[in-house]
Amino acid sequence: ELKVEQNPLFLSMQEGKNYTIYCNYSTTSDRLYWYRQDPGKSLESLFVLLSNGAVKQEGRLMASLDTKARLSTLHITAAVHDLSATYFCAVVPNTGNQFYFGTGTSLTVIP
Amino acid sequence: EAQVTQNPRYLITVTGKKLTVTCSQNMNHEYMSWYRQDPGLGLRQIYYSMNVEVTDKGDVPEGYKVSRKEKRNFPLILESPSPNQTSLYFCASSLRASIVNEKLFFGSGTQLSVL
Repeated sequence: ELKVEQNPLFLSMQEGKNYTIYCNYSTTSDRLYWYRQDPGKSLESLFVLLSNGAVKQEGRLMASLDTKARLSTLHITAAVHDLSATYFCAVVPNTGNQFYFGTGTSLTVIP
Repeated sequence: EAQVTQNPRYLITVTGKKLTVTCSQNMNHEYMSWYRQDPGLGLRQIYYSMNVEVTDKGDVPEGYKVSRKEKRNFPLILESPSPNQTSLYFCASSLRASIVNEKLFFGSGTQLSVL
């Protein structure tokens, strides 16, 4: 059974601090996606990572992919309240076309 | 405006009463899919479609049906809903069927309660 595990599930952090969310997966994949969901809202795409060593950055968020370790990270730099949301990673196996989502990380940034 | 439109936004029904949740996209996307979101379980794929008349089961297809007669529409059908299908449902699409380098565009969601 394919698994996508995120850690931590819940994260409360102070404004201005740094932290990393981890996404481990159990299949061979070069395709890793990060999405953001605000409370009561739909999901929006943040990053698409398509190769080993891929790194993408937007604002205070940076995502990376290590396909050998089957690990992606989402690093938050100098958190601000607007980043409070639930973050999901998703994997598509190299042999398929189905998206497998992690359980999500609920991030709360405290002033 | 480019979007994925789901209807209804909220639905309360009773066990066994057939229902359809509609999904339509105006971006000429080839790939469309349905997910359910449950607390602690993340999103799980129900069905997906690579193109018109082509559909495949996802992780949790039991109790659901789909059809893809037109490129823009991908309805989700519950022939005989049961309480364990109470969930938040999302439709999503992406441009190409190969979906490499393609992000998903999500609808606004349908909160379904089956009593």
